[in-house]
Amino acid sequence: DTAVSQTPKYLVTQMGNDKSIKCEQNLGHDTMYWYKQDSKKFLKIMFSYNNKELIINETVPNRFSPKSPDKAHLNLHINSLELGDSAVYFCASAPGFRGNEQFFGPGTRLTVL
Amino acid sequence: GQQLNQSPQSMFIQEGEDVSMNCTSSSIFNTWLWYKQDPGEGPVLLIALYKAGELTSNGRLTAQFGITRKDSFLNISASIPSDVGIYFCAGHLGASGTYKYIFGTGTRLKVLA
Repeated sequence: DTAVSQTPKYLVTQMGNDKSIKCEQNLGHDTMYWYKQDSKKFLKIMFSYNNKELIINETVPNRFSPKSPDKAHLNLHINSLELGDSAVYFCASAPGFRGNEQFFGPGTRLTVL
Repeated sequence: GQQLNQSPQSMFIQEGEDVSMNCTSSSIFNTWLWYKQDPGEGPVLLIALYKAGELTSNGRLTAQFGITRKDSFLNISASIPSDVGIYFCAGHLGASGTYKYIFGTGTRLKVLA
């Protein structure tokens, strides 16, 4: 069983479109994250939710909106996609937010044309 | 944004050699995680460290939480071809840093058979 899963694996879309990425974890964790990995492989946190409550909101354009319907799911919706949004987006989960082990999903490669 | 200095940036080694890499920062961390990322996949957790001075092993991998809490080290003994990949450190800032992990810039390891 996959611990942290993301869909889709690949997403190719035109500039200006709106798209969503979904994440689910079956580890029973309380905390979930979205990270962005750029072309140089640098990983940067975007958002974190703990028990469905937003606890980290980095300097991210407000075109990006996370939503956590329950503890096991964290989705990322992106409006008006831009070329610079092309990257790999990773979901991760952890038992808590105070420095626990963090487990990553397989990633979603977003390409904006 | 904040960043951990990870070195070396890349290294070529012969199969069977030992490998050392480290992460340093001016910030104090309360947890260190080490990950390996293969192409097209998400980072996989290798080792977690929770106390200054802690030394933890996972097979051929050994990691240490620096005594100053500002650095961490990863050693791989007797490298094999499947050790190829990008290794990341991640340090957790705790309450002073809004409970987020900062990732290192990565060490790209290439093993020559």
